[in-house]
Amino acid sequence: GESVGLHLPTLSVQEGDNSIINCAYSNSASDYFIWYKQESGKGPQFIIDIRSNMDKRQGQRVTVLLNKTVKHLSLQIAATQPGDSAVYFCAENGETTDSWGKLQFGAGTQVVVTP
Amino acid sequence: ETGVTQTPRHLVMGMTNKKSLKCEQHLGHNAMYWYKQSAKKPLELMFVYSLEERVENNSVPSRFSPECPNSSHLFLHLHTLQPEDSALYLCASSQEGSSQETQYFGPGTRLLVL
Repeated sequence: GESVGLHLPTLSVQEGDNSIINCAYSNSASDYFIWYKQESGKGPQFIIDIRSNMDKRQGQRVTVLLNKTVKHLSLQIAATQPGDSAVYFCAENGETTDSWGKLQFGAGTQVVVTP
Repeated sequence: ETGVTQTPRHLVMGMTNKKSLKCEQHLGHNAMYWYKQSAKKPLELMFVYSLEERVENNSVPSRFSPECPNSSHLFLHLHTLQPEDSALYLCASSQEGSSQETQYFGPGTRLLVL
């Protein structure tokens, strides 16, 4: 079936370095993608989104890249800080006739920032 | 703060208890959701409400009973739960029909069923 998944379950990054978190999706009909950050003991927090008519979108210290050809989504975090340690999820809207209101989530990547 | 609040934050209950989880959104959204989050698994959608009507019941056991009295409030009534129901229960809201389908989450209720 259709799924959203992340390549790496854990990513260890040195403070100050750039982080890249990857996500593969298989639903070619998806036209909206979101990255969430979930810190320990908290709910998922919206970071950035992108629509399928774009291939890049930038926020504050974060950039999302979308490659529709290979169905790949990535989140780049510049100058990673200790506060960036969290689990990061990608989600897609998976446009189908019965997908009203649904987002499909990956299992998440744990990012650990080391000093 | 995301504008979505949940109470209680932590709950321990026996299998014969009845309890309710509460969610309130202050974002003026018209859709609300319940998710179950278990360790190392993707979020599982449980229920979706749009304009206070349930539009999705994702094969959830009847021991979970949702209620949406208005567009700002969502409840999840729990009774005769099983230990495997222990998880983080997340509420979310969104504005359906807008150009942005982002769902905003509350902090969750950590539930332990003994």
